Amino acid sequence: AQSVSQHNHHVILSEAASLELGCNYSYGGTVNLFWYVQYPGQHLQLLLKYFSGDPLVKGIKGFEAEFIKSKFSFNLRKPSVQWSDTAEYFCAVNPSNRDDKIIFGKGTRLHILP
Amino acid sequence: GAVVSQHPSRVICKSGTSVKIECRSLDFQATTMFWYRQFPKKSLMLMATSNEGSKATYEQGVEKDKFLINHASLTLSTLTVTSAHPEDSSFYICSARGSGQGYSPLHFGNGTRLTVT
Repeated sequence: AQSVSQHNHHVILSEAASLELGCNYSYGGTVNLFWYVQYPGQHLQLLLKYFSGDPLVKGIKGFEAEFIKSKFSFNLRKPSVQWSDTAEYFCAVNPSNRDDKIIFGKGTRLHILP
Repeated sequence: GAVVSQHPSRVICKSGTSVKIECRSLDFQATTMFWYRQFPKKSLMLMATSNEGSKATYEQGVEKDKFLINHASLTLSTLTVTSAHPEDSSFYICSARGSGQGYSPLHFGNGTRLTVT
């Protein structure tokens, strides 16, 4: 079955630390990939997305993600986190040939210590 | 683990008819459910937030009389698209968060592709 795996369920970092959140998916075909963030008390916002082209995608707020097709991965990175990055982060995968399916990972709860 | 079941995954209907989409939490009680809409090549757009037993809170620009949300039980929320038009064709996704003390994770349905002809 198709699935999305986010390996870290809860991450705690200090400000200025570097961040990498893992996302792996299981699907053999072409995919569209997303990272969403939900800040406390708010709704989902798109951080970045990959449809095609350069596998290194830059998003908002200094986030980036790299699509490595051979590893079925789309890890999210930020070189220096801030306290305001405290939030839940969700990786999502949509098979490119399917307009009726999107699969979300279980999310990673990121807590940044001031 | 907890699962959110969204049904149907795909539906085609004629203009003027109504369509109901169900979102069920299978093994947890969902006190809060969210309904999103996704346009092609765009991100999810929150339509409304519903809390069990109370009226849904709609986002600005979302017609509450057109997109009826019912969250009558802790395991079921429904979105009814009334008098559907072709411009309502889209991908609709629900998510649910459980109750209880402390952190409750957010779970997503797999989405419903609505096509209005």
